[in-house]
Amino acid sequence: EVQLVESGGGLVQPGGSLRLSCAASGFTFSSYAMSWVRQAPGKGLEWVSAISGSGGSTYYADSVKGRFTISRDNSKNTLYLQMNSLRVEDTAVYYCAKAGYCSGGSCHNWFDPWGQGTLVTVSS
Amino acid sequence: EIVLTQSPGTLSLSPGERATLSCRASQSVSSSYLAWYQQKPGQAPRLLIYGASSRATGTPDRFSGSGSGTDFTLTISRLEPEDFAVYYCQQYGSSPFTFGPGTKVDIK
Repeated sequence: EVQLVESGGGLVQPGGSLRLSCAASGFTFSSYAMSWVRQAPGKGLEWVSAISGSGGSTYYADSVKGRFTISRDNSKNTLYLQMNSLRVEDTAVYYCAKAGYCSGGSCHNWFDPWGQGTLVTVSS
Repeated sequence: EIVLTQSPGTLSLSPGERATLSCRASQSVSSSYLAWYQQKPGQAPRLLIYGASSRATGTPDRFSGSGSGTDFTLTISRLEPEDFAVYYCQQYGSSPFTFGPGTKVDIK
């Protein structure tokens, strides 16, 4: 069974930093692109960032470019999101999600499954 | 960036009725790379449909997806009590992989 378990959320002041982790199991982690998707309280879904299976390619939403860094450690089956210069508007539940289908290094980035999410609150 | 618009914002229906949800893209979604998700309160989203019309594993056959280009539809043929939730469309044809704002299906 594929499982994704996020951790690392919490309360941080504006301008602070936080690193989220997502531990993956049940599939060949290095073969799949992974993404972070967030959801502000009472709001919709916003894709944040994606990384290829090898880690060689990364993609970001404009809202986090230059402040967030996605990475992965395939030896530990773990995905990361380093969040710097945090803003109040970054407050959200952050989900990690696995790309739906990957073959030969190319992935179709529908998301299945999703982790349970970790809450990040940016507030003074 | 491809902007997705969903309508209606809220759909009030009774169990057993048919639900038709719309997702419109600001530009053509390549190769019908469009997915639908269901989200219930306090839960992570769950994939229902990918490739505009392919049901994910475990998706009941009362859910169907259709469309291409800029216009897509999710249809629930007969609403069951567990189907009352929020539904999001997402395009994955090009980065950024954008979501629509969601349609809430609630009990009339």
